[in-house]
Amino acid sequence: QKEVEQNSGPLSVPEGAIASLNCTYSDRVSQSFFWYRQYSGKSPELIMSIYSNGDKEDGRFTAQLNKASQYVSLLIRDSQPSDSATYLCAVNGPNDYKLSFGAGTTVTVRA
Amino acid sequence: GAVVSQHPSRVICKSGTSVKIECRSLDFQATTMFWYRQFPKQSLMLMATSNEGSKATYEQGVEKDKFLINHASLTLSTLTVTSAHPEDSSFYICSASGTDLYEQYFGPGTRLTVT
Repeated sequence: QKEVEQNSGPLSVPEGAIASLNCTYSDRVSQSFFWYRQYSGKSPELIMSIYSNGDKEDGRFTAQLNKASQYVSLLIRDSQPSDSATYLCAVNGPNDYKLSFGAGTTVTVRA
Repeated sequence: GAVVSQHPSRVICKSGTSVKIECRSLDFQATTMFWYRQFPKQSLMLMATSNEGSKATYEQGVEKDKFLINHASLTLSTLTVTSAHPEDSSFYICSASGTDLYEQYFGPGTRLTVT
């Protein structure tokens, strides 16, 4: 079982600031990395996937992957109250379609 | 795209009865479907993985005779909780992956309460 660890939070940021979320994983051969957002009482929603080292940007979200350090992060720029949720880091591969999830980091954006 | 539905969204049943939950991929063919359970303030726990036309693969500690999974088509998987007990009360969520086998899209979840 792959281990995935996230900073425990909760993380409170003011509206308009950058929220920075971190995730480390134990299995060096992991291949695919995902960030899911989960609102309270709802199911997870895929917001970012990243497969190669470096940065990947999508709107206000930037995922960063460093396979040598076994580290993946998510930056949320210009944070909005609607970004308040729990963010789950998930990892899988190679040849393993099952996702291993971190415990999640709860983000609260203060208006 | 990549929409997954679940039905019902909420169900309350009496102890000892069985409950069936449906998971459908609406706009893609799901090669693989996954069933998760989530207790309050905890992360998702994978229960089983199913491929269309094959027997499900259950995670360690998950009773296959209690949680029956059927994946009859590329768009439908069902989870039946048999002889439910109060400790089975949880949030059950399915996910599906299509041509990109590594990306999973989640259904909205089913909240089961066993009284």
